[in-house]
Amino acid sequence: DADVTQTPRNRITKTGKRIMLECSQTKGHDRMYWYRQDPGLGLQLIYYSFDVKDINKGEISDGYSVSRQAQAKFSLSLESAIPNQTALYFCATSDPAYNEQFFGPGTRLTVL
Amino acid sequence: QKEVEQNSGPLSVPEGAIASLNCTYSDRGSQSFFWYRQYSGKSPELIMSIYSNGDKEDGRFTAQLNKASQYVSLLIRDSQPSDSATYLCAVSNQFYFGTGTSLTVIP
Repeated sequence: DADVTQTPRNRITKTGKRIMLECSQTKGHDRMYWYRQDPGLGLQLIYYSFDVKDINKGEISDGYSVSRQAQAKFSLSLESAIPNQTALYFCATSDPAYNEQFFGPGTRLTVL
Repeated sequence: QKEVEQNSGPLSVPEGAIASLNCTYSDRGSQSFFWYRQYSGKSPELIMSIYSNGDKEDGRFTAQLNKASQYVSLLIRDSQPSDSATYLCAVSNQFYFGTGTSLTVIP
């Protein structure tokens, strides 16, 4: 079984809709991250969490919110989706000892 | 100035050659450096990590770090068509990634 899973894998939604992307991990890592990837722009950090009670904004947090429900679960919400949030979204985890990040398979989100 | 910069490429090398990928970073306090490989439509996969100046070798891959010059590089020896992918440089202090270098290995 995959160590980092994301649901859904693909989602098409309409402008103005609220949408939640979910991430679960079995690696036992405390640190979790959400990134978005656009063609030619690499990975951009949206939010990160170092433990259940710790939430931090990344480079591009506007329009997004997160919830850390448990050590293993980290959800990303788009309160009112807009077309320029169409992107590939990745969840990642890391161990604080080495900071190596392990990525989920990604969620391809399209906002019409 | 971006925190992490890479040449976007594309970089093409013949099969069996050495591919050289480079990355520069702006935060002198950075301590951890990583190279990830990403196939089209897939998630990034960690291939090398390096924490101190010098070279680190793992199979056909060698990472090189020079903190004084603020660059990190990745060498891929005996390049194979299966190495064709985008390679992302990452600096962990602020979790910044470069935009990636696209590598094509020509059979």
